[in-house]
Amino acid sequence: AQSVTQLDSHVSVSEGTPVLLRCNYSSSYSPSLFWYVQHPNKGLQLLLKYTSAATLVKGINGFEAEFKKSETSFHLTKPSAHMSDAAEYFCVVILYNQGGKLIFGQGTELSVKP
Amino acid sequence: KAGVTQTPRYLIKTRGQQVTLSCSPISGHRSVSWYQQTPGQGLQFLFEYFSETQRNKGNFPGRFSGRQFSNSRSEMNVSTLELGDSALYLCASSRDTSYNEQFFGPGTRLTVL
Repeated sequence: AQSVTQLDSHVSVSEGTPVLLRCNYSSSYSPSLFWYVQHPNKGLQLLLKYTSAATLVKGINGFEAEFKKSETSFHLTKPSAHMSDAAEYFCVVILYNQGGKLIFGQGTELSVKP
Repeated sequence: KAGVTQTPRYLIKTRGQQVTLSCSPISGHRSVSWYQQTPGQGLQFLFEYFSETQRNKGNFPGRFSGRQFSNSRSEMNVSTLELGDSALYLCASSRDTSYNEQFFGPGTRLTVL
């Protein structure tokens, strides 16, 4: 079965330091993967998506993610955290064999300390 | 272009009642998907509608239903509410299929007492 696992439920960084949010996936075929961000009391916003083109994907707000098939990972990174990055982040896989249903990871809450 | 709108933003109901939530997609988007978000279960897919037809369905009981109108607006209904139905219900729209980027609304916060 296809699924995603976010390895950390909570990550805390200091402003200006790098961010790493980890996601592993399981899929019997080449997946499409997304990262979404949810700020408090807001809907989800797409950060970036991987759809079997370049393995290094650049998204909005300075975020990027690298698809590593050998490690079945799709970790999200940012070189320098900003206070406004504090939010919950979701790694998502799309199930093409189930009509495009999205399967969400459990989420990682990112805290940014001044 | 206006984003996805959901009404109402907040609802308080009691057990046994029913509730209807509304979602207006981005203009030109024909696919609308619904999700339930709870602290314990995370984000779970409810169903997707396209051109007034349910195209995909998650693993929720029959108390959860939905429909889509000719203008692509969608409603979801929950009958015989249970305490466990308390959640943030999110609606997302996409241009044609859910394979494309989904744009999410702010959600409706449902509290069941």
